[in-house]
Amino acid sequence: DQQVKQNSPSLSVQEGRISILNCDYTNSMFDYFLWYKKYPAEGPTFLISISSIKDKNEDGRFTVFLNKSAKHLSLHIVPSQPGDSAVYFCAASGSNYKLSFGAGTTVTVRA
Amino acid sequence: DADVTQTPRNRITKTGKRIMLECSQTKGHDRMYWYRQDPGLGLRLIYYSFDVKDINKGEISDGYSVSRQAQAKFSLSLESAIPNQTALYFCATSDYSGSGETQYFGPGTRLLVL
Repeated sequence: DQQVKQNSPSLSVQEGRISILNCDYTNSMFDYFLWYKKYPAEGPTFLISISSIKDKNEDGRFTVFLNKSAKHLSLHIVPSQPGDSAVYFCAASGSNYKLSFGAGTTVTVRA
Repeated sequence: DADVTQTPRNRITKTGKRIMLECSQTKGHDRMYWYRQDPGLGLRLIYYSFDVKDINKGEISDGYSVSRQAQAKFSLSLESAIPNQTALYFCATSDYSGSGETQYFGPGTRLLVL
């Protein structure tokens, strides 16, 4: 049973606009959440994370929002750039530190 | 130089063969992991090791075994490969940031079992 779900397999956005990626989780014991970015033929690379004690974390063009009551997090990319075209994975962990991953969302940024 | 390396990067093998995938890291992390990625399923944990003497099964360990030869090396073996083990395999290492654990991934091994 998948504990982390990314219900949108793909997202297409115009360059310069905002990309919003969504992620839902079912395990209330998760307390640390991460986003990874993956290019073809490469491993996932860490993008940004958020602890459950926060509801927002920003790093440059990337912002992650956490809504614990809804068990939902989102990643905002503003402005979107062609180099942002990749697969984005949402992941979550609890006290055992093992990560549970979503299935990924493929983002395509159109020029 | 990459912090987490995997060899081979690509491998084609036949059903019933034994193969080993190797992972090395220069990050100095104690924790290492093996995942497989299948289309539409994200990454699933096969085995993990919190130190050289501590090895644990993940959610899909059947058909796989691992060896932690040193802090920096963690290998994954398929004793008798079968076609549904065709997948992309990733090794990862992790450190603890104070608020949570971040994992760092190798470039992956693409395995095809015929």
